[in-house]
Amino acid sequence: AQSVAQPEDQVNVAEGNPLTVKCTYSVSGNPYLFWYVQYPNRGLQFLLKYITGDNLVKGSYGFEAEFNKSQTSFHLKKPSALVSDSALYFCAVSKSTDKLIFGTGTRLQVFP
Amino acid sequence: SQTIHQWPATLVQPVGSPLSLECTVEGTSNPNLYWYRQAAGRGLQLLFYSVGIGQISSEVPQNLSASRPQDRQFILSSKKLLLSDSGFYLCAWSLSYTEAFFGQGTRLTVV
Repeated sequence: AQSVAQPEDQVNVAEGNPLTVKCTYSVSGNPYLFWYVQYPNRGLQFLLKYITGDNLVKGSYGFEAEFNKSQTSFHLKKPSALVSDSALYFCAVSKSTDKLIFGTGTRLQVFP
Repeated sequence: SQTIHQWPATLVQPVGSPLSLECTVEGTSNPNLYWYRQAAGRGLQLLFYSVGIGQISSEVPQNLSASRPQDRQFILSSKKLLLSDSGFYLCAWSLSYTEAFFGQGTRLTVV
């Protein structure tokens, strides 16, 4: 069965500093990996995805993520955090047309 | 372009009453459709997913059911709501090998 783990409930970072939100996955075969962001009382917004190809993928709002097959990780990163990046971030995994499974979410708090 | 509509945005229902939440997708054909529930602003629990008309996979035994009467319509139902059914319900769609797109969600409060 496929699963996703986000080990940190919350990540705090000062504005202007780099940020990392961690994600590890478990799936047989090649995974499809995604990051989403959620603002209060709203649906999820897609940030970026890894399907195949370059391990470093770039997405919306300056975010990027690195697929590491040996460590089964797909950490979300941004070189310089903004206060407006404060939100709930979800990692998700699927395999081809199979169901899409989400992690438990990590709350990112960026302090001015 | 593709859009997803989910309604209502908020709903307050008494215990024991029925439920029907509707989700429709425009601008695409044969999408994968999903219903998720989010409790207390945290993790998303996959409730149902569908890869085609009349094809419903249930992930968690519960008081809810889902139906897909048309290609781009996905309905979440209950015959009798429980207090534990309260939560934030999200509908989503995707195509094979692509990201999912979410509706704005329905905040259900069972009283």
